[in-house]
Amino acid sequence: AQRVTQPEKLLSVFKGAPVELKCNYSYSGSPELFWYVQYSRQRLQLLLRHISRESIKGFTADLNKGETSFHLKKPFAQEEDSAMYYCALTQGGSEKLVFGKGTKLTVNP
Amino acid sequence: GAGVSQTPSNKVTEKGKYVELRCDPISGHTALYWYRQSLGQGPEFLIYFQGTGAADDSGLPNDRFFAVRPEGSVSTLKIQRTERGDSAVYLCASSLGNSGEQYFGPGTRLTVT
Repeated sequence: AQRVTQPEKLLSVFKGAPVELKCNYSYSGSPELFWYVQYSRQRLQLLLRHISRESIKGFTADLNKGETSFHLKKPFAQEEDSAMYYCALTQGGSEKLVFGKGTKLTVNP
Repeated sequence: GAGVSQTPSNKVTEKGKYVELRCDPISGHTALYWYRQSLGQGPEFLIYFQGTGAADDSGLPNDRFFAVRPEGSVSTLKIQRTERGDSAVYLCASSLGNSGEQYFGPGTRLTVT
């Protein structure tokens, strides 16, 4: 069965430092990978998806099929990046999202 | 425009009671999803509608859970004989379908006492 693993429950960095939120997946096919973000008292929203290859709010994520990873990176973290981040995938032909347990990122001043 | 809305925002019920949770998707979105998020977990898929029909209900945990979308817009998630383990945030999302971006509602926090 498909699975998404986010090994860090909590991650704390200082403003201006690089940040990397890890995501590994297990799926035998060709999944589509996503990062969703939930800011305090806001609803869950899409941050980026691997097929679009966009950089959103300075974040990027590269799909590494060899390592089955989709880590989220930002070179210089900002305080407003503090939020809950969820990695997710959809399997080929299915619309349902499979989420990891999430990583709470705190960016300290 | 208006996003996905869910009512009620909070629901407290007693064990054994029946509850209904409502989702109003974004106008024109043909696909609608229900997820459940327990404390400390990511959202877990329950059911997906394309139009009026349930295209995938593989995530419903048991036959106490049922969802409908009779006119292809508003959806209702129904839970019979609630149990304390049903306590969670129930999330609804909608999309244009065909692997479009899913837009999430604010969720309904269900507490079963």
